[in-house]
Amino acid sequence: GIQVEQSPPDLILQEGANSTLRCNFSDSVNNLQWFHQNPWGQLINLFYIPSGTKQNGRLSATTVATERYSLLYISSSQTTDSGVYFCAVSAPYKLSFGAGTTVTVRA
Amino acid sequence: EAGVTQFPSHSVIEKGQTVTLRCDPISGHDNLYWYRRVMGKEIKFLLHFVKESKQDESGMPNNRFLAERTGGTYSTLKVQPAELEDSGVYFCASSQAGGIYEQYFGPGTRLTVT
Repeated sequence: GIQVEQSPPDLILQEGANSTLRCNFSDSVNNLQWFHQNPWGQLINLFYIPSGTKQNGRLSATTVATERYSLLYISSSQTTDSGVYFCAVSAPYKLSFGAGTTVTVRA
Repeated sequence: EAGVTQFPSHSVIEKGQTVTLRCDPISGHDNLYWYRRVMGKEIKFLLHFVKESKQDESGMPNNRFLAERTGGTYSTLKVQPAELEDSGVYFCASSQAGGIYEQYFGPGTRLTVT
């Protein structure tokens, strides 16, 4: 299966700071998604981004498919951004997940 | 539009017992998937339905797990008999047909086997 590596594994931020999360994958993909796991364990869709750049509020993501990586940007972080961020890819159906990046935003 | 729903949200059973998890996908989504996360490990794929047919069940751990999708609508995942290592969170997801691959996840069922 496709290997997915996320970095860093843990990230501690002061409220208001910006950060970048990275996802590397080992093969060509049809699907790349970023999720935020909230404190209740739910996986919230952030981006469906097999290629290109998207923005949603303070979050944005870029996928460079030819180089097999994706970046998730969090700007002006808030305490509600805390949680685990997962990258997942598929070619084309079953998703392979990374281990996640645990983000802690301190007030 | 209602999202993916799962029932129950939490189940506690004893080793050797049977548990059935249910998933209702987003209306109109032909593709339905089961995933699970055990013991803090990575989320792993279990199987994929297209309508009522199993497209890929390569992630099913053993024959104690049985998944069905009645009439191409809701799906059930039965574990019989349950073992301690089956404890974890079981997620269901669904996606549209026709080359749109974005998957939407349900809230998960937390299974605890004691």
